[in-house]
Amino acid sequence: GEDVEQSLFLSVREGDSSVINCTYTDSSSTYLYWYKQEPGAGLQLLTYIFSNMDMKQDQRLTVLLNKKDKHLSLRIADTQTGDSAIYFCAENRGGADGLTFGKGTHLIIQP
Amino acid sequence: EAQVTQNPRYLITVTGKKLTVTCSQNMNHEYMSWYRQDPGLGLRQIYYSMNVEVTDKGDVPEGYKVSRKEKRNFPLILESPSPNQTSLYFCASSLTGVQGYTFGSGTRLTVV
Repeated sequence: GEDVEQSLFLSVREGDSSVINCTYTDSSSTYLYWYKQEPGAGLQLLTYIFSNMDMKQDQRLTVLLNKKDKHLSLRIADTQTGDSAIYFCAENRGGADGLTFGKGTHLIIQP
Repeated sequence: EAQVTQNPRYLITVTGKKLTVTCSQNMNHEYMSWYRQDPGLGLRQIYYSMNVEVTDKGDVPEGYKVSRKEKRNFPLILESPSPNQTSLYFCASSLTGVQGYTFGSGTRLTVV
């Protein structure tokens, strides 16, 4: 199976909260990340969480980590049109070999 | 401005014609990586480097080479490009390897 899994699409109405989910399989992952990719652009690091934490909040973004279930989520409060993008979950197992990414979730904002 | 710079942004080439995609970072980062992004497959790592003269294969290294002669540069070399290497390529760098990578803007390569 894949190392990191995400749903491919999520559609929400402007002003609602968006919750993007991710599951990973490697329990040795030390850091978990959320990246945002806008059309035609590179990846922008949104936030990351260390594996000994279970929650991290940064303005409209809330990251929840359930280590037991190997489940990571990103909640975006008051979703705006500028949040429309692909969101990638990624894990780093503590080695030097970079990140393992999920396939990305396309967040679609309805007016 | 702290950044990762890739060149070119767009490239169309023919099968078998050697090409190099350059990547440079100005943040004195130790770790650098190359990824390719394909529809339905997400990002897959091609090669990574932990420091000067230290490189290793990622998940999809076949058909690619890299070098790390200086800390700031990490070029991706395609000795004999083939159409299945048509993709969007990203270079990324990190100071510690764990606290997030900074990505370049991408290079869209088409091999005909």
